[in-house]
Amino acid sequence: AQSVTQPDIHITVSEGASLELRCNYSYGATPYLFWYVQSPGQGLQLLLKYFSGDTLVQGIKGFEAEFKRSQSSFNLRKPSVHWSDAAEYFCAVGASGNKLVFGAGTILRVKS
Amino acid sequence: DAMVIQNPRYQVTQFGKPVTLSCSQTLNHNVMYWYQQKSSQAPKLLFHYYDKDFNNEADTPDNFQSRRPNTSFCFLDIRSPGLGDAAMYLCATSRLEISYNEQFFGPGTRLTVL
Repeated sequence: AQSVTQPDIHITVSEGASLELRCNYSYGATPYLFWYVQSPGQGLQLLLKYFSGDTLVQGIKGFEAEFKRSQSSFNLRKPSVHWSDAAEYFCAVGASGNKLVFGAGTILRVKS
Repeated sequence: DAMVIQNPRYQVTQFGKPVTLSCSQTLNHNVMYWYQQKSSQAPKLLFHYYDKDFNNEADTPDNFQSRRPNTSFCFLDIRSPGLGDAAMYLCATSRLEISYNEQFFGPGTRLTVL
């Protein structure tokens, strides 16, 4: 069965610093991978997705992620974090039955 | 803009008093999902509809029911809410044939049970 691991429950970075959120997945075939962001009290917004092709994908709000099949990873990165990026981030993999399997989420705190 | 709309955004109900949450979409997607999300947890899929075909998750309590009267609307009914049902309820949509499982989420309904 598919699974997603986000090893970091909380991450704190300084405003302007770079960010990397880790995501590891378990899936036999080529996965469909997603990163969603959730601000407090809001729904999930899609940041970026990977289906095939170029393994470095660009998303909204200056985020990017790199698919590494050899490491079963899809880490999210941003070169310079803004205070408005403070939120919870979920990595997800497409599963059978047109479902998504989510990781447990990483809460990002940004300190000024 | 095409979107997923959830009403109300905040719902307060009493223990045991039935409540209905609403979701509508203008994306013309054929799949609609209901998730339950508790604080600092990942969304948990309750059930989904592919067109009118209802698909219940094995661990979804019988207390939770759903209706999809047409393509645009989907309802979540909680027959007898308990304190443990207080959560954020998220609706999402997807177009099965082209979506690669990508789902579009509404803003959620925060349910409080008194």
